[in-house]
Parts: sequence; C-alpha cells; structure tokens
Amino acid sequence: ETGVTQSPTHLIKTRGQQVTLRCSSQSGHNTVSWYQQALGQGPQFIFQYYREEENGRGNFPPRFSGLQFPNYSSELNVNALELDDSALYLCASSWTGGLYGYTFGSGTRLTVV
Amino acid sequence: SQELEQSPQSLIVQEGKNLTINCTSSKTLYGLYWYKQKYGEGLIFLMMLQKGGEEKSHEKITAKLDEKKQQSSLHITASQPSHAGIYLCGAVLLYNAGNMLTFGGGTRLMVKP
Repeated sequence: ETGVTQSPTHLIKTRGQQVTLRCSSQSGHNTVSWYQQALGQGPQFIFQYYREEENGRGNFPPRFSGLQFPNYSSELNVNALELDDSALYLCASSWTGGLYGYTFGSGTRLTVV
Repeated sequence: SQELEQSPQSLIVQEGKNLTINCTSSKTLYGLYWYKQKYGEGLIFLMMLQKGGEEKSHEKITAKLDEKKQQSSLHITASQPSHAGIYLCGAVLLYNAGNMLTFGGGTRLMVKP
C-alpha cells in the first residue's frame, strides 16, 4: 500500500508567476485535501476534492484552484504568486471525506521571491 | 483567537520524564486527530478520537478526548529523544463536515538526553 506522494519537494518561483503542485493519493482513498502551512504555524485548510468535485473550501482567494483526476490524484494551482504564498503545501488523502482518518504527504516547500 | 488552542507552545523535557500536551476547542469536537511533524516535513498520524471519554494508546503515547468533547490531551510517558518534533492536533469542528480539519498552532517538543 503506497502512501501519499507529492511533487515537487521544493520549488522556487518569482512573484507574479503561476505554480502547479501535484499529489498522488493513497491507494483506496477517493478524497484529497490541500493545506498550507506557514513557518511556525499549524496547517490551514485550502480545499478538498471528492469524486473530482470541490466539496469544501477554506478562506483562500480564487487564485488558489485545484483539480482531481479520475484516478483520485490531484493538482493545486496558484496564480499570481505573492511573497506570502511561501509555505509548505500539504496534501492529505482519505476515504469518504475523512471519516476514517487522513494520510498526509511530505509536502512541497514553495518559496516565492 | 484560534478555534483550536494548543498548550504549551513549546516544551523542553529531560529524557525519561513524562509530559502532557493539551488541545482545547471553542466548539464541540466531532473528530480529533493527533499528528507528529518533524521540522519542514509531512504529518505522521498518531491517533484519532471520536467519542467523548475515548482514550487510545500507542507505545508510550496516550491520547484522551474529554467527556464534553471540547478538549483533548496527549500524554507521553518516559520521553525519549525520538519523541522530539512538533505535535499537532487537528479537529473536525462542524457536524457532518468531515471535509475540513482545523489545526492548532502546534507544540514544539525537545527532549534533552
């Protein structure tokens, strides 16, 4: 049973650019959630995808968008990057929206300069 | 103030000592998760609690969810250097909203050999 895999592990982008982060969910999981963790803080919920539809969103602007594919993998897209977007982005997969727990990936460290 | 407060924010203990980390919510907890994170890495699942009064143990770590379901504690017995890291509590704060985890700010634990 494979866990949650995220790519890339590290990324440096320039302010104003766009970025795509990828996540492969754990085998058997149909739900993917994305979190942003700024340095020294707890993770903040961005959004969740279930059966390729967004079914929950935190307090993040529309320039944060996502996709879920038929194989339940997911992408997080961020447009018009700002310096404050620098953070660790975590992907978590689960079964039926998290009723039986969430498995987190190792994250993508995004630095915006 | 945050919906989920962790205390203490940081902790330094001597190896072999016991310690407790608390997670207090301003709302009813419909699911409470404890995770451990090494600096800059992903979250490692420790335990999930759902019922008031529930208590779970794994090796030297015990977690409890109080009867009123608004507080949880994580207790480590005979701490070891391998216990060092950031402990995060994550909670489902809305009934039937398993699609969003709210996290506390984390407790940074250092164990001195």
